[in-house]
Amino acid sequence: QVQLVQSGSELKKPGASVKVSCKASGHTFSRHSMNWVRQAPGQGLEWMGWINTNTGDPTYAQGFTGRFVFSLDTSVTTAYLQINSLKAEDTAVYYCASPSFGENQFGMDAWGQGTTVTVSS
Amino acid sequence: DIQMTQSPSAMSASVGDRVTITCRASQGISNYLAWFQQKPGKAPRRLIYAASSLQSGVPSRFSGSGSGTEFTLTISSLQPEDFATYFCLQHNSYPPTFGQGTKLEIK
Repeated sequence: QVQLVQSGSELKKPGASVKVSCKASGHTFSRHSMNWVRQAPGQGLEWMGWINTNTGDPTYAQGFTGRFVFSLDTSVTTAYLQINSLKAEDTAVYYCASPSFGENQFGMDAWGQGTTVTVSS
Repeated sequence: DIQMTQSPSAMSASVGDRVTITCRASQGISNYLAWFQQKPGKAPRRLIYAASSLQSGVPSRFSGSGSGTEFTLTISSLQPEDFATYFCLQHNSYPPTFGQGTKLEIK
């Protein structure tokens, strides 16, 4: 059974950086892409982009270019989301989500438990 | 981008009621449609994939139907644990897009 386990909540000041991790187990890491999804307080789900876990190539959705960086450490089957130059409006819960075998890269079968990032001075 | 219009945005219902939630896509997405349930403070949980396939472990009172541009999620007999927010997701076309959500509350 696929399991995605994310790192814990973060409290950061504006202008700082944060790195959220998402450790995958229960499947072959390189065969299942990793999506990142943002949920601002009281809001819906917003797709941020995805990373190809075979090649390491990231793709960023509109509105998530420049300050957002997706990366991998395949040796520990972990994907990362780094947000630089944090702003108050980055305050949200961030999820990683992965498709099941046979789905296209944007299927979101397994989800991490979410990481709350709070940006406040 | 494909817009997913979900309706209603909120509704109230009673235990035992039959409930239907709809997602309409701005263009055809074949059957690349999933439904999720989300409870407060929790991650989304996928209920339905490929428009009508029940995720393993999900109660059979949940069902999905539709193809192309019109999709429905039906809960045949509401249980207390079903009061939550429901989202649809299209993943046929880039970028994948979510519906805005339906908050299902107890009447």
